Amino acid sequence: GAGVSQSPSNKVTEKGKDVELRCDPISGHTALYWYRQSLGQGLEFLIYFQGNSAPDKSGLPSDRFSAERTGGSVSTLTIQRTQQEDSAVYLCASSYPEGGSSYNEQFFGPGTRLTVL
Amino acid sequence: AQSVAQPEDQVNVAEGNPLTVKCTYSVSGNPYLFWYVQYPNRGLQFLLKYITGDNLVKGSYGFEAEFNKSQTSFHLKKPSALVSDSALYFCAVRDNTGGFKTIFGAGTRLFVKA
Repeated sequence: GAGVSQSPSNKVTEKGKDVELRCDPISGHTALYWYRQSLGQGLEFLIYFQGNSAPDKSGLPSDRFSAERTGGSVSTLTIQRTQQEDSAVYLCASSYPEGGSSYNEQFFGPGTRLTVL
Repeated sequence: AQSVAQPEDQVNVAEGNPLTVKCTYSVSGNPYLFWYVQYPNRGLQFLLKYITGDNLVKGSYGFEAEFNKSQTSFHLKKPSALVSDSALYFCAVRDNTGGFKTIFGAGTRLFVKA
């Protein structure tokens, strides 16, 4: 694929349910980021993965949030026991962290709009 | 800790006039600085970056930004605004001390009036 893809594009769930959000980065991009954008707000850093290094989880707001990246490619963000305040657009981005003319530029997916009722 | 401030929630400018969207930052070490744009109903797009070298960097759609180390600023500029420039603009910073964590500002909404 040409760009970062995310699925689902929209997710409506009930409070207390678990949800999984998926991100397919651009092939070859070694860095992958998750952000959260609440209505009218900026981007809140959640987590990033770089190659085989341990992920930087410093932005995860609570232990209900977790993420994994399998095989250095696809990533899944899991939110357990969802709360209404989790409602937001979850954005994924990937990049080449070093090297090449576009290094450090993040390419964003279209996002997953999560609504917790 | 890294931080980014975009002091203006909104900037209004008439078409054809120059525009400036302000950004200040705080990082340990030398900064990597970025501007991204989010058009209505479209995803975030990269505009330009400062990594090293010339303080004035040029990017997409005629935008440019000036890195000012003494003022820790990276303001986005365009000599002549277009109505189609109306969008949400984000400044972002990453420190170069080894991590890849990138912090985004709260965003500035630009309105260009015809």
